[in-house]
Formats: sequence, structure tokens, C-alpha cells
Amino acid sequence: AQTVTQSQPEMSVQEAETVTLSCTYDTSESDYYLFWYKQPPSRQMILVIRQEAYKQQNATENRFSVNFQKAAKSFSLKISDSQLGDAAMYFCAYGMEYGNKLVFGAGTILRVKS
Amino acid sequence: IAGITQAPTSQILAAGRRMTLRCTQDMRHNAMYWYRQDLGLGLRLIHYSNTAGTTGKGEVPDGYSVSRANTDDFPLTLASAVPSQTSVYFCASSSTGRLGSPLHFGNGTRLTVT
Repeated sequence: AQTVTQSQPEMSVQEAETVTLSCTYDTSESDYYLFWYKQPPSRQMILVIRQEAYKQQNATENRFSVNFQKAAKSFSLKISDSQLGDAAMYFCAYGMEYGNKLVFGAGTILRVKS
Repeated sequence: IAGITQAPTSQILAAGRRMTLRCTQDMRHNAMYWYRQDLGLGLRLIHYSNTAGTTGKGEVPDGYSVSRANTDDFPLTLASAVPSQTSVYFCASSSTGRLGSPLHFGNGTRLTVT
């Protein structure tokens, strides 16, 4: 069974600085997707970024980028120029190409200090 | 505004009682999902439906049932609630059952079983 591990329960970053959230996963599949979701205090789940496993190029969305290391089964999220609005719980998730189920990590709480 | 509506927003329920969590989407998405969120465990899939008339079991289906009579509605029923079902429940949808289309989430229902 696929598993997703987020080893950092909490992280803190100073406003305007850069922070990296870690995620590792375990799978025997070769084709899959990886996602980062953000959950602010409002409880809403917001898709931040996604990565297709067959793409070697790391996905980027504005200040958010990933470091996807397929061989190491690692999928970290880098947030540049951190803003107060980035404070939230961040979930890493794995999904198979032909499946429809996401497996989530336990989450990392990100605190942004002004 | 197109999206997913969950009701109720929160509920306190006595153990042994029956409860149905409602979920309606207006995006004409084929696939719908129910997840529960627990601290330290992330989100776990309860049940899913790839299209109207079909349903499937996720990772933690015991004690829950679903139905998908039409495209828009996907209710989750707890036949006889137990305290371990205290959780935040999220309904989600995607245009297809494949992961090419990301999940859209409702705002969740906080359920407390006493």
C-alpha cells in the first residue's frame, strides 16, 4: 500500500524568507501524481501545486515550487518570499494515474512570523 | 458560485444515533469522494463514486454508507454513530475519476459523537 510521510509536524518561517516542507512517499508504481494542498484556518482545502511523475521538470506556481526526486521518492515544497497568508496546514498527497484515491500525509503546520 | 456545499457545518450527535451528512456539487463532476480528517492522520478516504449509480469503498469504510442516485448529490450516512467517528468530514469532487483533474473540496462538516 502506498504511504505518504511528512516528518515535520510544525515549521516556522520569517516573513519574506524561504521555507521548505518535506514529504516522502512509498510506492511500487511508476506512473502517479503528487500534490500539495493548503488548509488555512478556514478549513478550506486548496490545491497548491501538482506534479506528474513522468515529468522530470519540477512544477512551479508563482512563489511555490517543488523538488521532485523520483528515485528517492521525495517531494518537497519550497515557499519563497513567505507571506502571512501562507500560514496554514500543508498536506502532501499521492495519487495513481488510473486510480481515483488520494493518500495524504499527516500534514505540516506552517507558522509565518512578522 | 460553482462548488461543493456540505451540510451541516457542524453537529453534535449522541452515540447510537443515525446521521446523514449532505454533499451537493453544481459543477457536473462525475467523481465524488468522502474523506475524514483526524489530527496526526491527515485525510483518509471513506467512500467514493466514479459516476452516478456506482460507489466504492475507500481506506476506512466501516460504519459508513453512501449512495449516488444522481450526479450532484453524494450523502454519507452513519447508521449508528460511535465516538471514534468524531472527525471533520470533507466531500470532494473531480470532473473524472482519473487524477488528471484535481479534487475540489467542500468546507467540511465537524462532527462530534458523544
